Amino acid sequence: DAGITQSPRYKITETGRQVTLMCHQTWSHSYMFWYRQDLGHGLRLIYYSAAADITDKGEVPDGYVVSRSKTENFPLTLESATRSQTSVYFCASSEPPDASYNEQFFGPGTRLTVL
Amino acid sequence: AQTVTQSQPEMSVQEAETVTLSCTYDTSESDYYLFWYKQPPSRQMILVIRQEAYKQQNATENRFSVNFQKAAKSFSLKISDSQLGDAAMYFCAYRSYSGNTPLVFGKGTRLSVIA
Repeated sequence: DAGITQSPRYKITETGRQVTLMCHQTWSHSYMFWYRQDLGHGLRLIYYSAAADITDKGEVPDGYVVSRSKTENFPLTLESATRSQTSVYFCASSEPPDASYNEQFFGPGTRLTVL
Repeated sequence: AQTVTQSQPEMSVQEAETVTLSCTYDTSESDYYLFWYKQPPSRQMILVIRQEAYKQQNATENRFSVNFQKAAKSFSLKISDSQLGDAAMYFCAYRSYSGNTPLVFGKGTRLSVIA
């Protein structure tokens, strides 16, 4: 099916463990994004990517690592999870803002709990 | 850096009535996009309406319309004939036309619809 998917949808882990959240899109959009959603903060940008092998930090990048070896995939890794990283994580994709259709499409989200 | 402010953490409306959600933003750019996203309990982010800053005409999508005041940097969402299914979190978001392209979100407004 076309679209943007995230896996897993739910994850419980322990402090200090490494966790990778997966994101896959089928539209061949050049831009991909990772946001986290926390109560009282709305959605905040963690990292984004303008193309394969091009990534850049967002507002809250500390403790996260991303890679983009293929256009369609944009995994987010928490190298050593902390309780403050308990959140709902959203992946999104879009064409460049000056494209004729520049809407950002969001995945269903991953709820991550760090104990 | 751009900022988006939603000053109403919670709103309520009677079914079939009209409600307006407020959003203000700060930017030095002249070209940009503004969006309203709806997030129901399913957590899925759904685009409700989009406005291009260069367009003077306010966007409309069925029961949803915006009041875009560029000089005042205001972008309110009006929901007419409110339905129970409109109950959700609503996020206002800003996107630059060029350069840094991620969305900048407000903190959201939780809308309740009373039967």
